[in-house]
Amino acid sequence: DQQVKQNSPSLSVQEGRISILNCDYTNSMFDYFLWYKKYPAEGPTFLISISSIKDKNEDGRFTVFLNKSAKHLSLHIVPSQPGDSAVYFCAAGTYKYIFGTGTRLKVLA
Amino acid sequence: KAGVTQTPRYLIKTRGQQVTLSCSPISGHRSVSWYQQTPGQGLQFLFEYFSETQRNKGNFPGRFSGRQFSNSRSEMNVSTLELGDSALYLCASSLAGLAGTDTQYFGPGTRLTVL
Repeated sequence: DQQVKQNSPSLSVQEGRISILNCDYTNSMFDYFLWYKKYPAEGPTFLISISSIKDKNEDGRFTVFLNKSAKHLSLHIVPSQPGDSAVYFCAAGTYKYIFGTGTRLKVLA
Repeated sequence: KAGVTQTPRYLIKTRGQQVTLSCSPISGHRSVSWYQQTPGQGLQFLFEYFSETQRNKGNFPGRFSGRQFSNSRSEMNVSTLELGDSALYLCASSLAGLAGTDTQYFGPGTRLTVL
C-alpha cells in the first residue's frame, strides 16, 4: 500500500512558466515532508522541506505548500528552467521517510 | 567535504548468488540508510543503521541484511538473488538520522542487474 503517492509520472512545462508537482499521503502522523531532485546516474539531492506546523516554505524559485487536511503536498518552481529537468521525489515521515514514486519534469526551452 | 560514496557502481549477478554493496558516509555522519529504487516503485526504505545498530527496518525479506562498522561505513548484503532484485540501491547518510532536523545526503547508487 503506497502511503505516499505522486500520481503524475511525468510533466512538461515551458521555460519561464510555473511547474507544479503534486504529492498525496495517507498517514496523518507524518510530520515532516521533503522534496528531492534526481538527475540520471546521480543520487537524489535534497531540495526543500516543510514541517507539519507550517503550510508554506520558500527557498528562491522553489516553494513547498502543505495542506494537512487534504494530506496534500505540492512543489512550485517559478520560473522553470531547463536545468530543472529531472525526476522529483516527495518524501514524508516521522522517524523515517516514505518516498513517492517520482515525477519526471521536463522543462522545454 | 567528500560526499557519500558507494561501491561498486555497477554489478551483474545471476540468480541464486549473493552480493555485498558498500557505502561510505560523509565524514561525521553516523546514520546510514539504504533504499531500493525500481521503476514505478520510487525509493523503498530497506533499513537504517546508527552507531553500528539497526535502528529502523522496512518491509523487505530477510534475504536483505546490512551492517555498520565503527567508522560508520555500511554494507548491504542480498542473498539468494532473484530477478526482481534488479534495481538501483541507494544509500544516504545524515548526522543523526533525526527526521525534521537532519538532511539525508544520497550517494550515486549501485546499479544491480540480476540475470
